[in-house]
Amino acid sequence: NAGVTQTPKFRVLKTGQSMTLLCAQDMNHEYMYWYRQDPGMGLRLIHYSVGEGTTAKGEVPDGYNVSRLKKQNFLLGLESAAPSQTSVYFCASTKDGSGANVLTFGAGSRLTVL
Amino acid sequence: GQNIDQPTEMTATEGAIVQINCTYQTSGFNGLFWYQQHAGEAPTFLSYNVLDGLEEKGRFSSFLSRSKGYSYLLLKELQMKDSASYLCAVSDSNYQLIWGAGTKLIIKP
Repeated sequence: NAGVTQTPKFRVLKTGQSMTLLCAQDMNHEYMYWYRQDPGMGLRLIHYSVGEGTTAKGEVPDGYNVSRLKKQNFLLGLESAAPSQTSVYFCASTKDGSGANVLTFGAGSRLTVL
Repeated sequence: GQNIDQPTEMTATEGAIVQINCTYQTSGFNGLFWYQQHAGEAPTFLSYNVLDGLEEKGRFSSFLSRSKGYSYLLLKELQMKDSASYLCAVSDSNYQLIWGAGTKLIIKP
């Protein structure tokens, strides 16, 4: 059981370039999330999905887009990267949205925008 | 606004006990989580409290007081591998998780 897999693990971009982070889970979870983690700050939710074909904005959605065409995959796109998007990105999933649900995280993707 | 407060950094000695506090102000409450995150790795689940009281799980215990908006994580018999950041998160009225900035715990021999 792989759990949650993120690719790529590291990426360096120039300002204005675009890229897509891929998240795949094999646990048949309904809910998937994209977070960013910056020094001195808590995890911040970018976008999330409550099921195949659905997406919703989180706390910091600007500059990002997402898609959930298949239940097991959740893609995070940066159309025109900015230095402020330098961060570590974590994908996570839960079985459903109830309060007791434990997040399973991917290993993270470290993105640097020059 | 919604807010989670926890100390930025704590230092403790191997074999000792340490308590990491978390206070919160959120719109509603549907449970409080503690996660452990080693440097360069993903957070992993430690505990979940939704009712007042103490939950014990091996060397780790978590306490919750909903009336005080307060929780703590207690780590006993500290080991070097416990050096990590400990993240407190609260599930609000919409079941959205609000995260603290994390407490970096340094264990000294």
